[in-house]
Amino acid sequence: DTAVSQTPKYLVTQMGNDKSIKCEQNLGHDTMYWYKQDSKKFLKIMFSYNNKELIINETVPNRFSPKSPDKAHLNLHINSLELGDSAVYFCASSQDTGPDTQYFGPGTRLTVL
Amino acid sequence: GNSVTQMEGPVTLSEEAFLTINCTYTATGYPSLFWYVQYPGEGLQLLLKATKADDKGSNKGFEATYRKETTSFHLEKGSVQVSDSAVYFCALTRLSGGYNKLIFGAGTRLAVHP
Repeated sequence: DTAVSQTPKYLVTQMGNDKSIKCEQNLGHDTMYWYKQDSKKFLKIMFSYNNKELIINETVPNRFSPKSPDKAHLNLHINSLELGDSAVYFCASSQDTGPDTQYFGPGTRLTVL
Repeated sequence: GNSVTQMEGPVTLSEEAFLTINCTYTATGYPSLFWYVQYPGEGLQLLLKATKADDKGSNKGFEATYRKETTSFHLEKGSVQVSDSAVYFCALTRLSGGYNKLIFGAGTRLAVHP
């Protein structure tokens, strides 16, 4: 069973479109995250939710809107996609908000043309 | 601020060679330190961690010791295999608004050839 899953795995779209990426974890964790990995492999946190509440919101354009319908799901919606949004987006989860191990999904490679 | 600096890659080794990937950090307080590994086409997996000074994390033949005096957490393995080829990320946690955030280094690509 996959612990943290993401869909889709690949996403190719045109500039200006709106797209969503979905994430689900079956680990029973309380905290979920979205990370962005750029073309140089640099990984940076974007958002974190704990028990469906937003707790970390880095300096991310407001075109990015996370949504957590329940503890097991954290989706990422992106409006008006730009070329610079092209990256690999990783979802992760951890037991709580402490310095725990985070478990990562396989990533979604977004390409904006 | 809090940050992690890793040696630049790629690191290219022959099978059974000794591996060291350097990692140093800047942090206030006492962060937990981690090494994550990313195999080609996959997400990150925790390799090992250490939560306080002088702790040694180990897993799959890899080791790293939390050295507060040198603010380092270097990754070592005595004999690498081709299957160890991956990108390795050093990371620390820091408190932000009462919550812990993982701060990653830039990653070091390791290529092991037969």
